[in-house]
Amino acid sequence: DTAVSQTPKYLVTQMGNDKSIKCEQNLGHDTMYWYKQDSKKFLKIMFSYNNKELIINETVPNRFSPKSPDKAHLNLHINSLELGDSAVYFCASSQTRVEAFFGQGTRLTVV
Amino acid sequence: DQQVKQNSPSLSVQEGRISILNCDYTNSMFDYFLWYKKYPAEGPTFLISISSIKDKNEDGRFTVFLNKSAKHLSLHIVPSQPGDSAVYFCAASAWGNQFYFGTGTSLTVIP
Repeated sequence: DTAVSQTPKYLVTQMGNDKSIKCEQNLGHDTMYWYKQDSKKFLKIMFSYNNKELIINETVPNRFSPKSPDKAHLNLHINSLELGDSAVYFCASSQTRVEAFFGQGTRLTVV
Repeated sequence: DQQVKQNSPSLSVQEGRISILNCDYTNSMFDYFLWYKKYPAEGPTFLISISSIKDKNEDGRFTVFLNKSAKHLSLHIVPSQPGDSAVYFCAASAWGNQFYFGTGTSLTVIP
């Protein structure tokens, strides 16, 4: 039973499309995150949600929007996809300021 | 501005020897540090952590050392095993739940 699961694992789409990546955690954690790992392998935080409130929003284009229907889900919506959005996106969750648990990643390729 | 840095992108070590992975940080407010291990096509998994009130934490073959004055931490793996071959990420957090990651060090343990 996967603790943090994200779908799809691979996503290939054309420029200009709108897509979503789903994330669910069954750990009962209060905080969920989205990270982007770019071509330089740098893991950079995009968003985090704590009790359905956005508490961190780094300098991410507003084409990216997190949606949290409940505490166990944090989905990532991306509008008007660009070539530079190609990356691996990781969802994660944590309870306290201890370790975060990560999903397996979604490799997004924009063509 | 990268607050957590891993200056060695790769490291090769003979099986049975010690692996030492290094990490530097710039933010003096960081008070909790973690190491994650990542295999290809998987999400990062938590390995070991250390609070800033300690200078050493040991878990089996893995030991993390923290030098606050130098803003430096290191992960020692001894003895190294082929299964340890992976990318290792250093991460740090301050107040709140945001984790800042380094760019990772790819460790290859040669049988």
